[in-house]
Amino acid sequence: DIVMTQTPLSLSVTPGQPASISCKSSQSLLHSDGKTYLYWYLQRPGQSPQLLIYEVSSRFSGVPDRFSGSGSGTDFTLKISRVEAEDVGVYYCMQAIQLPPWTFGQGTKVEIK
Amino acid sequence: VQLVESGGGLVQPGRSLRVSCTASGFTFGDYAMSWVRQAPGKGLEWVGYIRSKAYGATTEYAASVKGRFSISTDASEYIAYLQMNNLKTEDTAVYYCSRARGVRCSGATCYSTYFDSWGQGTRVTVSS
Repeated sequence: DIVMTQTPLSLSVTPGQPASISCKSSQSLLHSDGKTYLYWYLQRPGQSPQLLIYEVSSRFSGVPDRFSGSGSGTDFTLKISRVEAEDVGVYYCMQAIQLPPWTFGQGTKVEIK
Repeated sequence: VQLVESGGGLVQPGRSLRVSCTASGFTFGDYAMSWVRQAPGKGLEWVGYIRSKAYGATTEYAASVKGRFSISTDASEYIAYLQMNNLKTEDTAVYYCSRARGVRCSGATCYSTYFDSWGQGTRVTVSS
């Protein structure tokens, strides 16, 4: 199974400041079809996960443009350009190159200072 | 899109439980569905997946539940089921159903690639 490793595991950010989360996979997520199967989810406190980013860098419907994804191969990054109070929660990366299973990172908890 | 799980509760080890996911707001039969769980204070763990009828309605399971859990759907009622047998204490978790999107095929086998809508979850506690 592909192992997804996120860093840091927790992050405390001042509102209006940027934040960055790293996700590394144990194998390349680039498929022969040219797509890279890396996704980002946010789970706000007490809520179910919600999709933020698909295929590395495409924002899902309704996701603010302060969220951006980048990376290739085995190294990926989720960036929040200016953190807002509603961005608090746990962020997970997920791979879909070698299935099953779909595997998630351990999660990165983001809180506001 | 709305997904509503139900049927969770307290169950003894070794017993069975079936949880349901009632969907609305989309054509249920056109989509694959998946179950993901979250143990208390832990991260997300994929549990199982059922392809849409167009892809044979076949299933996949995590190694930790294979042979004990099964997924089925009732397309006429817009419901997905997760049947859990021989439950263990380590199955204690919130169980989320999700709609699966995207398609990636390797040879004759196709998979959805991501989960775009999730229910609120149903809590399953396995304890004596």
